[in-house]
Amino acid sequence: DVKVTQSSRYLVKRTGEKVFLECVQDMDHENMFWYRQDPGLGLRLIYFSYDVKMKEKGDIPEGYSVSREKKERFSLILESASTNQTSMYLCASSLDSYSPLHFGNGTRLTVT
Amino acid sequence: AQSVTQLGSHVSVSEGALVLLRCNYSSSVPPYLFWYVQYPNQGLQLLLKYTSAATLVKGINGFEAEFKKSETSFHLTKPSAHMSDAAEYFCAVRVYNFNKFYFGSGTKLNVKP
Repeated sequence: DVKVTQSSRYLVKRTGEKVFLECVQDMDHENMFWYRQDPGLGLRLIYFSYDVKMKEKGDIPEGYSVSREKKERFSLILESASTNQTSMYLCASSLDSYSPLHFGNGTRLTVT
Repeated sequence: AQSVTQLGSHVSVSEGALVLLRCNYSSSVPPYLFWYVQYPNQGLQLLLKYTSAATLVKGINGFEAEFKKSETSFHLTKPSAHMSDAAEYFCAVRVYNFNKFYFGSGTKLNVKP
């Protein structure tokens, strides 16, 4: 069974801090994704990566960056956290273009 | 452009009643379609997927969905609701060979005793 692990379930940070959200998958998947989930807005894609060191912007990349130095790990970085980045962040991976997404349990980030 | 519409942000049924959650999609090419379920404070779990084989797809926990190309629909059903089915359900579309999923805004299912 695929396991996608997000390092923190809950995180509280202050405005202006640099924040790292970590995600690791154990199934050698090519593709990894970061979404944010907000009530009434569903899931919105921030960034995805289809290979090590490769990344593409999703629908809402502003204020975020990502890093994928190893195949199993995909990090989301908030360069300077702001209160409007308070949200649930979901990491996911998929084997290839045919395959479904497998999600981690999410990180609920609060920026005060 | 691809999009997914879920009709009804909240659906309430009695235990034992039929569950019907609606999903319509738009896609310029044959899509892959998925239903996911999310329990409180958890990630999304795959319920079922349509990938151009049989149009009636069976998933976990007694759910199934039917792909109707003429109606561009992929509605989720379950004959008899159980209390444990209370959760939020998301429909998603993925276009072949593109690394983007498009999610609906979700439907919260409430099951009354």
